[in-house]
Amino acid sequence: SYELTQPPSVSVSPGQTASITCSGDKLGDKYVCWYQKKPGQSPVLVIYQDTKRPSGIPERFSGSNSGNTATLTISGTQAMDEADYYCQAWDSSTSVVFGGGTKLTVL
Amino acid sequence: QVQLVQSGAEVKKPGASVKVSCKASGYSFMSYGISWLRQAPGQGLEWMGWISGFTGNTNYAQKLQGRVTMTTDTSTSTAYMELRSLRSDDTAVYYCARGKNYDDAFDPWGQGTLVTVSS
Repeated sequence: SYELTQPPSVSVSPGQTASITCSGDKLGDKYVCWYQKKPGQSPVLVIYQDTKRPSGIPERFSGSNSGNTATLTISGTQAMDEADYYCQAWDSSTSVVFGGGTKLTVL
Repeated sequence: QVQLVQSGAEVKKPGASVKVSCKASGYSFMSYGISWLRQAPGQGLEWMGWISGFTGNTNYAQKLQGRVTMTTDTSTSTAYMELRSLRSDDTAVYYCARGKNYDDAFDPWGQGTLVTVSS
């Protein structure tokens, strides 16, 4: 079955750039989405189709996908960005697959 | 605005069934599908399946085949997810989310429904 691998945690200082990776076999051949999940809240889509931002998502959120790795980048990270982030893709054998999630700490 | 409102928390015994509803508003229900997902305590997100708001066609996660049924009521713009033969590891927050097709991004999500399976 297809698997997506994320680092369990990433730390960043306020105002700096945070990068969260998501790895999978030939992931660059698939579309990747990213979701932000804060405790007690529902997940929010922050990036879809590798690089697109839904309306209402700040410009500091961006995405890329090439080779075996997709990356969510948060520029000028703010305290409000502290959350769990999940990558997600589609695979012909597994249908929908999520990464294990990355806890972003802003300190 | 687009909104998905789910039914309230449930407590079930092992072996029982649960049916969660998801009422959509702010868009044409039949122009999109609804995916169901869940998150067990301390775990990641898991996709359970998708149903078309137009045809009622479904696409279930292989892991849940035979235990899950997704339906819609287009007259009330409501989607339903029934899970049978509940086990303790089905304890989770269950979410519905809009997606045009099963391979479309999930946006937005409902507020979540906690289902607790305990004897």
